Amino acid sequence: EVQLVESGGGLVKPGGSLRLSCVASGIAFSTYTVTWVRQAPGKGLEWVSSISPSSNYLYYADSVKGRFTISRDNAKSSLYLQLNSLRAEDTAVYYCARARAGLRTPPDYWGQGTLVTVSS
Amino acid sequence: DIQMTQSPSTLSASVGDRVTITCRASQSISDWLAWFQQKPGKPPKLLIYKASSLEWGVPSRFSASGSGTEFTLTISSLQPDDFATYYCQQYDDSSWTFGQGTKVEIK
Repeated sequence: EVQLVESGGGLVKPGGSLRLSCVASGIAFSTYTVTWVRQAPGKGLEWVSSISPSSNYLYYADSVKGRFTISRDNAKSSLYLQLNSLRAEDTAVYYCARARAGLRTPPDYWGQGTLVTVSS
Repeated sequence: DIQMTQSPSTLSASVGDRVTITCRASQSISDWLAWFQQKPGKPPKLLIYKASSLEWGVPSRFSASGSGTEFTLTISSLQPDDFATYYCQQYDDSSWTFGQGTKVEIK
């Protein structure tokens, strides 16, 4: 069974930092592009960042470029998102998801999400 | 970035109704389009990929069509489990974008 489990969310002050993690099981993690998608409370889905299997290609939404950093550790089947210079508008549930076969395929498996709240 | 616009934003329907949701892209995305269903407190669930291909395990009452800039998702006979929010997503560009969502409510 494929499982993606996020962790690391919490309450942080504006300007603060947080590191999110996502551990995968049931898949050959090192062969997949993986991605972060977020959803602000009561709002729609927003793609945040994607990383290729060997970390050669990194992609970011304009809204987070320069503040967030995506990385992965294939030996640990883990995906990370470092969130710096956090703003109130970054408050959201952050989901990790697997792209079925590269970026030209949709995310087919999703974690349950971890909530990040940015507030003073 | 490619913008995705869904209509309507909210749809009120009854069990057994035929329901259609439209998604429009700001530029051609060929058939690099997916549809998702999301229920409160849950992650999105993939329904359709490549504009019209039904994901494994998804009921056949769901169908989709379109290419280029105009796409539709149809539920042929709405069931109680189908009341949810639906999103389209383009993956033609490395910067994925989602539509704003269509909430299907009980009439």
